[in-house]
Amino acid sequence: DVVLTQTPSILSVTIGQSVSISCRSSQSLLDSDGNTYLYWFLQRPGQSPQRLIYLVSNLGSGVPNRFSGSGSGTDFTLKISGVEAEDLGVYYCMQATHAPFTFGSGTKLEIK
Amino acid sequence: EVQLVESGGGLVQPGASLKLSCVASGFTFSDYWMSWVRQTPGKTMEWIGDIKYDGSYTNYAPSLKNRFTISRDNAKTTLYLQMSNVRSEDTATYYCPTNYFDYWGQGVMVTVSS
Repeated sequence: DVVLTQTPSILSVTIGQSVSISCRSSQSLLDSDGNTYLYWFLQRPGQSPQRLIYLVSNLGSGVPNRFSGSGSGTDFTLKISGVEAEDLGVYYCMQATHAPFTFGSGTKLEIK
Repeated sequence: EVQLVESGGGLVQPGASLKLSCVASGFTFSDYWMSWVRQTPGKTMEWIGDIKYDGSYTNYAPSLKNRFTISRDNAKTTLYLQMSNVRSEDTATYYCPTNYFDYWGQGVMVTVSS
């Protein structure tokens, strides 16, 4: 199975600060069809996961543009440019290139 | 409005069977591959498997393949997860997202305990 290593596990930030979360894969996520099936999700407390980013860098519907995704191959990053209070929760990366699909262990974003 | 509503969870004894349902609305269900994903009490996310839009093909996480079965009824816009010989480690909240992972239900809790 593909292992996704997310760092850091906890982020304590102030409102307005910009932050990045790393997701590293144990193997390349570039699919034979040319796509890289790397997603980012936010799970707010008590809620279901919400898709933020798909195919590495595409913003999900209704997702604020302070969120951005980048990377290729095995190294990926989610950036939040100017954290807002509503961004607190746990962030997960997920790959759907190789079955079984796998998730990172999560990054908890706390607001100071 | 897209809705995915999971049901069928609860408290079950080890070794029992359980069938979860996921009723979809607000989109053309028969056009979408669908997945089941679970989240443990410790917040670990695990993909269980998925099913092709017409139900003709399924994929499973190898560790669950022998005990879990995914099916669907497109006429009823419903996705199913048949769980057999459940174990304490199956205790989790179960979700049924589309395979674009853009829509998720509220989840259904399953607790396996004697």
